[in-house]
Amino acid sequence: DSGVTQTPKHLITATGQRVTLRCSPRSGDLSVYWYQQSLDQGLQFLIQYYNGEERAKGNILERFSAQQFPDLHSELNLSSLELGDSALYFCASSGTDIYGYTFGSGTRLTVV
Amino acid sequence: AQTVTQSQPEMSVQEAETVTLSCTYDTSESNYYLFWYKQPPSRQMILVIRQEAYKQQNATENRFSVNFQKAAKSFSLKISDSQLGDTAMYFCAFLAGTASKLTFGTGTRLQVTL
Repeated sequence: DSGVTQTPKHLITATGQRVTLRCSPRSGDLSVYWYQQSLDQGLQFLIQYYNGEERAKGNILERFSAQQFPDLHSELNLSSLELGDSALYFCASSGTDIYGYTFGSGTRLTVV
Repeated sequence: AQTVTQSQPEMSVQEAETVTLSCTYDTSESNYYLFWYKQPPSRQMILVIRQEAYKQQNATENRFSVNFQKAAKSFSLKISDSQLGDTAMYFCAFLAGTASKLTFGTGTRLQVTL
């Protein structure tokens, strides 16, 4: 157990639908990052939150949004889903030391 | 913007042998960190080793070590005494000291065989 919890582990939904992915960071970590990993590809940075505020944004689609709540958990909302959104979505967290990120086990999203 | 290049899409090594995975990066930053992550078939992302750019000494974690060549912007991973459990995708990643996101390479798929 890495300490970063992602739910659900698997999600199957239809095109046009909306889903919410949830992430609880490792205890004490203030930063949460979301990454997308399409089949057999690298990880693409989507967005970062730090202590409730958006800190950095990557190539995140307008159909996607995220937030971080006062208890530091984060949610990634994906709407108007398309087949191409099928991917593994990772959440990671980090603390004040630069030791690399701790990743959750990911949410496998399948859009059919 | 930073880029990370892994030029070996796939590699294979026999059990107990040594293998080296290559990574090069491009940056104008002077303060940064480099990482190797392992992604086994379970798809979990596991930190293998990290290197601070200001440190000249190469990092080592048990059977894993790096060869950090700052001037050449090269950061290779050496796995000694390879084990079947080392079979995984390996990603090189870069973090600028002033930035917030990890930039990943495209990965090297390593297969350890008997």
